[in-house]
Amino acid sequence: DTEVTQTPKHLVMGMTNKKSLKCEQHMGHRAMYWYKQKAKKPPELMFVYSYEKLSINESVPSRFSPECPNSSLLNLHLHALQPEDSALYLCASSHEGEETQYFGPGTRLLVL
Amino acid sequence: AQSVTQLDSQVPVFEEAPVELRCNYSSSVSVYLFWYVQYPNQGLQLLLKYLSGSTLVKGINGFEAEFNKSQTSFHLRKPSVHISDTAEYFCAVTLGGGKLIFGQGTELSVKP
Repeated sequence: DTEVTQTPKHLVMGMTNKKSLKCEQHMGHRAMYWYKQKAKKPPELMFVYSYEKLSINESVPSRFSPECPNSSLLNLHLHALQPEDSALYLCASSHEGEETQYFGPGTRLLVL
Repeated sequence: AQSVTQLDSQVPVFEEAPVELRCNYSSSVSVYLFWYVQYPNQGLQLLLKYLSGSTLVKGINGFEAEFNKSQTSFHLRKPSVHISDTAEYFCAVTLGGGKLIFGQGTELSVKP
């Protein structure tokens, strides 16, 4: 099973709200990723977790706060977002040391 | 630095015709190469990958790609396309360590 699940599928939030995106995989992968994708553009890497520790932060603004509570779960906490943060947020996972990443269906975020 | 160039932003083709989506990469060292497909309002699905070994790689849905080291290319082909192949296709490369570099994408439009 190569399934990564993400909830919610859609999210609308105001600039003063706090919300969280959730990603889950049960493939035993120890590397997990957050990407941001704007319309008609390729995904852009935001964060990489390896063995539940943050290993890469691509200079993402602090209004995005990732969390990896265990090896199967990855959260992205959102606070004080801007309208330009509206995008599709994709989660992916892979075996540590293996380069093939498997993506979830994404959460489509709209910031008003 | 690595980079990926997808030479065509849009490829219109008639149903049952062959198609080739072109991808070139730049890297002075060995790389791992991927093609992903993204259907409207969905996440990315892995089509195929080249990690090592045979340079002709077969993937899902009848797609195949050929790794050409001398031309630094990894073109995607399908001998006969279907309406259902209409989607955005992304070529990606990595040296390892979790950082996937995506091309700008090619929009494949299959017409009846």
